[in-house]
Formats: sequence, C-alpha cells, structure tokens
Amino acid sequence: DTAVSQTPKYLVTQMGNDKSIKCEQNLGHDTMYWYKQDSKKFLKIMFSYNNKELIINETVPNRFSPKSPDKAHLNLHINSLELGDSAVYFCASSQDRVYTDTQYFGPGTRLTVL
Amino acid sequence: AQKVTQAQTEISVVEKEDVTLDCVYETRDTTYYLFWYKQPPSGELVFLIRRNSFDEQNEISGRYSWNFQKSTSSFNFTITASQVVDSAVYFCALSESAYSGAGSYQLTFGKGTKLSVIP
Repeated sequence: DTAVSQTPKYLVTQMGNDKSIKCEQNLGHDTMYWYKQDSKKFLKIMFSYNNKELIINETVPNRFSPKSPDKAHLNLHINSLELGDSAVYFCASSQDRVYTDTQYFGPGTRLTVL
Repeated sequence: AQKVTQAQTEISVVEKEDVTLDCVYETRDTTYYLFWYKQPPSGELVFLIRRNSFDEQNEISGRYSWNFQKSTSSFNFTITASQVVDSAVYFCALSESAYSGAGSYQLTFGKGTKLSVIP
C-alpha cells in the first residue's frame, strides 16, 4: 500500500485556470506538508498543517490554499494559475510537527502551466 | 547563507566505483536532525536515513554508509560498489529544534547532487 499518495501525477493547464492537487496518507500521521520543487530541483516548504493549525511560508502567494477535510488528507488549491507555478509539487507527512520526525513524501505532481 | 550546502552539483562514476556525496550544514542549535533523501529518475523522494546531533556514530546499511562529524558540520554519504540503480539526485536536509515562526519545523534541503552511474 502506498503510504503517501497524490493525484494527479501530471497536470497540464492554461494560465488563469484554477486547479487542485489531492494528497492522502495512510500512515496515521498528524502533520502534512506541501513542498514545491522548481526546475533546478530546489525543494521549498509551502505549508505545514497539524491539528487544524496551518503554518504558511510567507513567500507563498495567497493564490495557493491548502484544505484539509480530515487528518489523512491535505489538498492544494491553486487559483489563477501563472506560468511561474509550473513545478513539481510534493505532499509529505510526519507523525507530528516536531523536528525529530521523519517526513515521508508522495510521488509528486508535475504541474505545467501553458 | 545556505543552511545546507551540497557543493557537488553532478558526479559521474563508473559502475562498481565508490562515491562520496558531501553535505555541510549550518545551525546554531545544539539539537537537530540530519536526513538524506534519494530522488530517482522516476521522481519520487525516498527517505534514506535520519541522524540526530548527539549520535556521531557512523551508520552502515548495505552498500550505503554515512559519516557524521560535528566538528566539521558535515554529514557525508558514501555508496560502495555503485550500481546503475544508484543513479539519482540525492538530497541532504536539516531539521532544527528552535522554533522561529512561520515555516518552522520544516526540512531545509540542500540543492541536491545528481549522481550518474555509468555501466
């Protein structure tokens, strides 16, 4: 069974559209994250979500919004997509939001904005 | 300044050679964790190892070994007798204990080292 899964794996869309990426973890973890990997492979945290508390990286545009229906799911909604949003987005989870915990990553979603 | 530096952008080795991937980190914390992740060409991120700042023992797992030295703030990764399946981008990451507002408890990643193992 896949521990952290994301759908879709590939997403191609036009500028200005709104899209969502879904993430689910079956590890029983309490904390989930979204990361963005740019074209140079650099990974950067976007959000972490734990017990309904959201911590946002201040550099993330407010067009991006995470939504968590329950602790096993953390979806990423993106409004008014821009060319610069093209990247690979990774969902991750950890037992808790403490520095000791290992984060386990999903397979990634490659978003291409045309 | 970068908190995690992987100075080697790309490395190519011939199969069966040993290779060491360097990782140098920077932190003011006395308590922290270091991680290595592997990203094969298929794209997923695979967890390899976690090491806390109080444990300087070297770790060996099959052909993989890790050398942690606090004196030089380094956490290097060695692959012995490399294989084509080891071809991937390898990331070193740091998790610090000090809370500093938004984005805390995050993993800070290095820029990765792309390893190509040539048959």
